[in-house]
Amino acid sequence: KAGVTQTPRYLIKTRGQQVTLSCSPISGHRSVSWYQQTPGQGLQFLFEYFSETQRNKGNFPGRFSGRQFSNSRSEMNVSTLELGDSALYLCASKEGTVQETQYFGPGTRLLVL
Amino acid sequence: DQQVKQNSPSLSVQEGRISILNCDYTNSMFDYFLWYKKYPAEGPTFLISISSIKDKNEDGRFTVFLNKSAKHLSLHIVPSQPGDSAVYFCAASFQGAQKLVFGQGTRLTINP
Repeated sequence: KAGVTQTPRYLIKTRGQQVTLSCSPISGHRSVSWYQQTPGQGLQFLFEYFSETQRNKGNFPGRFSGRQFSNSRSEMNVSTLELGDSALYLCASKEGTVQETQYFGPGTRLLVL
Repeated sequence: DQQVKQNSPSLSVQEGRISILNCDYTNSMFDYFLWYKKYPAEGPTFLISISSIKDKNEDGRFTVFLNKSAKHLSLHIVPSQPGDSAVYFCAASFQGAQKLVFGQGTRLTINP
């Protein structure tokens, strides 16, 4: 099976803009989670979607939002970008209903200037 | 509140020897633990996991040990190879949480 794919891989934006990142999970996986990795905070959980519903949310401001489509693909949106949003954004998928291993995509590197 | 801690930011090991990476956790509700390996600018790659009903799980050169009373887990890599040089993250979750809580990572360097 193909792995988790994320687009774009790299992105440069300026403060105040908004950005949308995309994630395609492993075929058959219905759960998609998003994480932010920064040097200072490490890997932090953003939110998790399953069957188009957000099941869990981390401690991030409302500027960070997401959605999941009926084919399990997911998008993450960040509005009014701040310099501190510069990070590697990782998407992970798993089959979904019980405790299982999450498999990560390569990430999207976002730089906010 | 750092619920999962990897107290060693870095570790250097000779090729062929054993690498031992450690991880401590504070939340007694955690019942599933994982180790991931990460290269720069790539996503974490799953290595091995362990459920809290076990105290050991092996997969080839990788073995994870879980000590629930001490809230401690470790990853053993034997023998260590140059390709093992990477940052290793331990992660934990509990049923129903649907999220992973990560440690800060340990950079492992295997020296020839």
